[in-house]
Amino acid sequence: SQKIEQNSEALNIQEGKTATLTCNYTNYSPAYLQWYRQDPGRGPVFLLLIRENEKEKRKERLKVTFDTTLKQSLFHITASQPADSATYLCALGPGSSNTGKLIFGQGTTLQVKP
Amino acid sequence: GAGVSQTPSNKVTEKGKYVELRCDPISGHTALYWYRQSLGQGPEFLIYFQGTGAADDSGLPNDRFFAVRPEGSVSTLKIQRTERGDSAVYLCASTKLPGQGSEQYFGPGTRLTVT
Repeated sequence: SQKIEQNSEALNIQEGKTATLTCNYTNYSPAYLQWYRQDPGRGPVFLLLIRENEKEKRKERLKVTFDTTLKQSLFHITASQPADSATYLCALGPGSSNTGKLIFGQGTTLQVKP
Repeated sequence: GAGVSQTPSNKVTEKGKYVELRCDPISGHTALYWYRQSLGQGPEFLIYFQGTGAADDSGLPNDRFFAVRPEGSVSTLKIQRTERGDSAVYLCASTKLPGQGSEQYFGPGTRLTVT
C-alpha cells in the first residue's frame, strides 16, 4: 500500500543546533516533494519545493534533500531558534497526477528550547 | 495583500444536518484545492478546481460531499447528512498557476464539529 511516514514522535532540540526531519514514502513515484510549516490553529505555509531530478535545495537556514532511490527526503533547519517550533509537513506531488494535488505525511512537531 | 480566507472559522452542527463551508482564494489564483485534516494527521486531499470545473474529485469520501466554484473564484464545500466522523478541520488552498509543483497558499481552515 502507499504510505508517507514522518517521525511520529516530537523532536526536541536545543537552540542553535541543527534539526533534521525525515520523510519516507513507499509505493509512490513523486514528481516533486514540498515541505510546509504549520502552527497551531493555522493552515500550512509553504517552505521549499524539490523536484525528482534534484538532490538538494537550500533557502536561508533551510535545506532539503531528495533521494528517489531510498524514497526519502530529509529537511534540515540549521542554527535553530525557538521561533522554528512548529509542525513540519512533507507533501508528495504524485507523478501520476498533473493536478498539483498533494499527498501529505502526518507531520513532525519540532520544539526548539532556548 | 489578502490571503486565502475561509468562513466560518468554527462550525458546530448536529448529526444529520447540512453544512456549507466557504473559501475565498487569493485574487487571480486559478487553481483551488480542498483538504481535510484530522487531529494529529496531515491534510488529506478532497477536490481540485481548475477554474469553474472540478478537475479532480477523487478525494471526496462519498456522495454526501459536494463542492462548487460557479464563477471560478469563491468555492463552497457542501456536506449533507453530516456524521460524527466528518468532524475535522477543512482547509482550502489556492495556487497562482495550475498543475504540478505550484506553491499552495492555505487558508486558516474551518473547524467542523458534528455532535
